[in-house]
Amino acid sequence: KQEVTQIPAALSVPEGENLVLNCSFTDSAIYNLQWFRQDPGKGLTSLLLIQSSQREQTSGRLNASLDKSSGRSTLYIAASQPGDSATYLCAVYGYSGAGSYQLTFGKGTKLSVIP
Amino acid sequence: EAQVTQNPRYLITVTGKKLTVTCSQNMNHEYMSWYRQDPGLGLRQIYYSMNVEVTDKGDVPEGYKVSRKEKRNFPLILESPSPNQTSLYFCASSLAAGNTIYFGEGSWLTVV
Repeated sequence: KQEVTQIPAALSVPEGENLVLNCSFTDSAIYNLQWFRQDPGKGLTSLLLIQSSQREQTSGRLNASLDKSSGRSTLYIAASQPGDSATYLCAVYGYSGAGSYQLTFGKGTKLSVIP
Repeated sequence: EAQVTQNPRYLITVTGKKLTVTCSQNMNHEYMSWYRQDPGLGLRQIYYSMNVEVTDKGDVPEGYKVSRKEKRNFPLILESPSPNQTSLYFCASSLAAGNTIYFGEGSWLTVV
C-alpha cells in the first residue's frame, strides 16, 4: 500500500528566503504526483502536476521536481512571501490493487513565512 | 466560473439522523471523489466515481453511501451518522482519474 510522507510537518522561514518542501513515497510505480496548497478552513488548490515521465514542472515562483526511482519529490518556492503561508500537500496517483487506482496524500507541511 | 460546490458547508446533526452532503461540478468532469480530513490522519478517500453509474470504495467507505446518476452530481449519504464521522469532508473532481483535481471548499460535519 502506497505511503506518502512529508517532512517537516511545519516550517517557519523569514520573508524572501528560498525554501524546499519534501515529499517521499514508498511505491515508485506511480502515474503522476501533484502538489496542493490548503489555506486554513479551505479546500485544496492544485499547484503543479508532474507526470511520471517528467522530471520537473514550473509555475511562477514554484518548481516541483520528481525522482520516481528514489520515491522523492521536492517543491521549491523562490523568494517566499507572507501570502505563501499555508499547508502544502503532495499526492501520488497510482495503482492501489484490485484493479483500482488511487490518489494518496501526505499529511502536509505547514509553512509560515514571517514578514 | 469552474468550480466544485458542496452543501451544506457546516452542519451539526444528531446520531442516527440520515443526512446527505451534495456535490456538484460544472466542468463536465468524468471523475469525482469524496475525502475526509482528520487531524493527524490527513486526507482519506471515502468513495470515488470514474463515470456516471460507476462508483467504487476508497480507503474508508464504512458508514457512507454515494450515487452518480448524472455526471455533474455526486452526493455523499450518511444513513445513520455516528460521532466518529465528525470530520471535514471534501468533494473533488477531475477530467479523468489522474488528471489535475479540483476540490470543493469543504463541509464541516459534527455528529453529536
